[in-house]
Amino acid sequence: GAGVSQSPSNKVTEKGKDVELRCDPISGHTALYWYRQSLGQGLEFLIYFQGNSAPDKSGLPSDRFSAERTGGSVSTLTIQRTQQEDSAVYLCASSPGQGATEAFFGQGTRLTVV
Amino acid sequence: GENVEQHPSTLSVQEGDSAVIKCTYSDSASNYFPWYKQELGKGPQLIIDIRSNVGEKKDQRIAVTLNKTAKHFSLHITETQPEDSAVYFCAPIRPGGSYIPTFGRGTSLIVHP
Repeated sequence: GAGVSQSPSNKVTEKGKDVELRCDPISGHTALYWYRQSLGQGLEFLIYFQGNSAPDKSGLPSDRFSAERTGGSVSTLTIQRTQQEDSAVYLCASSPGQGATEAFFGQGTRLTVV
Repeated sequence: GENVEQHPSTLSVQEGDSAVIKCTYSDSASNYFPWYKQELGKGPQLIIDIRSNVGEKKDQRIAVTLNKTAKHFSLHITETQPEDSAVYFCAPIRPGGSYIPTFGRGTSLIVHP
């Protein structure tokens, strides 16, 4: 398939451990977004990558959260020293990046911190 | 930043009825107005969108109307079916700089057979 792929689909981790979530965007899409969705809630913006520009990190909730995008393609969201309040579904999306247009979402990674 | 509100938060209808969800936004510069549908266990998926130079757009049973003066746009679903049951999000975008969609809190639509 040519859609956005996220891995793992589910992750259970112990409080205090670090986790890495991966996103493979649609080939050729220059824009990539990470959102967080808590149970029954809307989508909370985390970080945005556009081509070679500096990422917009304005949505990251604390310095325990970071993300990188290598070679303009795959992105990794890292959460250090996880807390129970980090439990949520983490969604990645990509778009062609040519102005305001549709965002294509992956199926998400459900993170549970115990 | 953009403030986005959706109403209602929950909508329960009988199969065959119509459903309307309203999205109010704050940034008058916004010019792209999409609606996404999220089914259980999946990521949101675009179902219809409209740009600021158009007042209404229709695609089979769904339509979107835009009132730029009042800064709101609405999703209309006619002849609802059980498979329309999902959470619906609006996510307006303003031009320039980062084209980051700001999502509303979502509307849970339940269609009873």
